[in-house]
Amino acid sequence: GENVEQHPSTLSVQEGDSAVIKCTYSDSASNYFPWYKQELGKGPQLIIDIRSNVGEKKDQRIAVTLNKTAKHFSLHITETQPEDSAVYFCAASKKGDMRFGAGTRLTVKP
Amino acid sequence: DVKVTQSSRYLVKRTGEKVFLECVQDMDHENMFWYRQDPGLGLRLIYFSYDVKMKEKGDIPEGYSVSREKKERFSLILESASTNQTSMYLCASSLLGVVANEKLFFGSGTQLSVL
Repeated sequence: GENVEQHPSTLSVQEGDSAVIKCTYSDSASNYFPWYKQELGKGPQLIIDIRSNVGEKKDQRIAVTLNKTAKHFSLHITETQPEDSAVYFCAASKKGDMRFGAGTRLTVKP
Repeated sequence: DVKVTQSSRYLVKRTGEKVFLECVQDMDHENMFWYRQDPGLGLRLIYFSYDVKMKEKGDIPEGYSVSREKKERFSLILESASTNQTSMYLCASSLLGVVANEKLFFGSGTQLSVL
């Protein structure tokens, strides 16, 4: 089955810097790649997703890139703010069979 | 906004007890899910449901069962709680579509401790 690895497990950046979280997946048939943000005391919330027919997608300060050949995808957050501090999860899905990464705890220091 | 409400934020139960975790969504979503979240393991799917009275096993169904008697409500049942079921439990819902578990809406979670 699909296996998703996520790195790093923790990430600390200074406010205003960029943050990058990377995920790799094992099943080349996976075609949907969402990213979820989980703030303290809340459930995960979808922040951006990408399908395998697209190489990059951007929404304001966040962007996701997908390299199908290498089977990895990344979340990029620019101009980080303290409210970006949270746990971020990537996932890879094939026909509804979705696997999550272990999560990255991002801390943005003011 | 979709609201997924889990009945308890924290629960403490004894080994061997029968435990009910309740979840209600208010957006008429067809699909509902139960996930378990453990540090270093991400989210793992326990059970899901595409319709009333319908259920499908996820990746880790052992020791759990579910009930969906009404469209808006999906219950997770631990028949005989064990200490290794201590975890954060997340309920989610989504619209019926080509792929059921895309664009999930999650509840805030129930932190269950089994002593």
